[in-house]
Amino acid sequence: SQQGEEDPQALSIQEGENATMNCSYKTSINNLQWYRQNSGRGLVHLILIRSNEREKHSGRLRVTLDTSKKSSSLLITASRAADTASYFCATLPTNDYKLSFGAGTTVTVRA
Amino acid sequence: NAGVTQTPKFQVLKTGQSMTLQCAQDMNHNSMYWYRQDPGMGLRLIYYSASEGTTDKGEVPNGYNVSRLNKREFSLRLESAAPSQTSVYFCASSEQGANIQYFGAGTRLSVL
Repeated sequence: SQQGEEDPQALSIQEGENATMNCSYKTSINNLQWYRQNSGRGLVHLILIRSNEREKHSGRLRVTLDTSKKSSSLLITASRAADTASYFCATLPTNDYKLSFGAGTTVTVRA
Repeated sequence: NAGVTQTPKFQVLKTGQSMTLQCAQDMNHNSMYWYRQDPGMGLRLIYYSASEGTTDKGEVPNGYNVSRLNKREFSLRLESAAPSQTSVYFCASSEQGANIQYFGAGTRLSVL
């Protein structure tokens, strides 16, 4: 069963604005990952945050992790049209090596 | 360096027909996965292979079989296709450990 749940399901923003999406999960994890999927394509790994980390940055991406609340957020700053995609969180449970994906957040960046 | 290659990209089947989806990776990864993606449901794991010579069921294995032919190749077979198997199928590979996965471009399958 899917462990991660993203919120919101869909998000529409103006170019230049920030986009924030959240992920909640149920069990203890080794790491949490975010992936992007452009329309008609496969998923691409964006960033990984380990269970002992609280925040991580990669370019315009910022990920936070709160293991006490079992939640994570992905912030995309200064969004561009090319950021239009679906974003998925995936968790690696502590006692497993299979990722569990959420249903995704669809982000539309308007020019 | 192609990464993960899936064939075919598109396929239309009639109910009851069989077919094999092919996947190959050139990153020397030990683990490979087959997922299906349906609208609003994210990715669901069908089968996976932790290493060459091993395969295990995932969340939704019914109606599918797999073969880990060698370290590079992992195929998914539908023996008797059903309309409920209409979906987009993704193959992925990873090293063990952190399990960052690399995905193919997908196979869009319609079963009529």
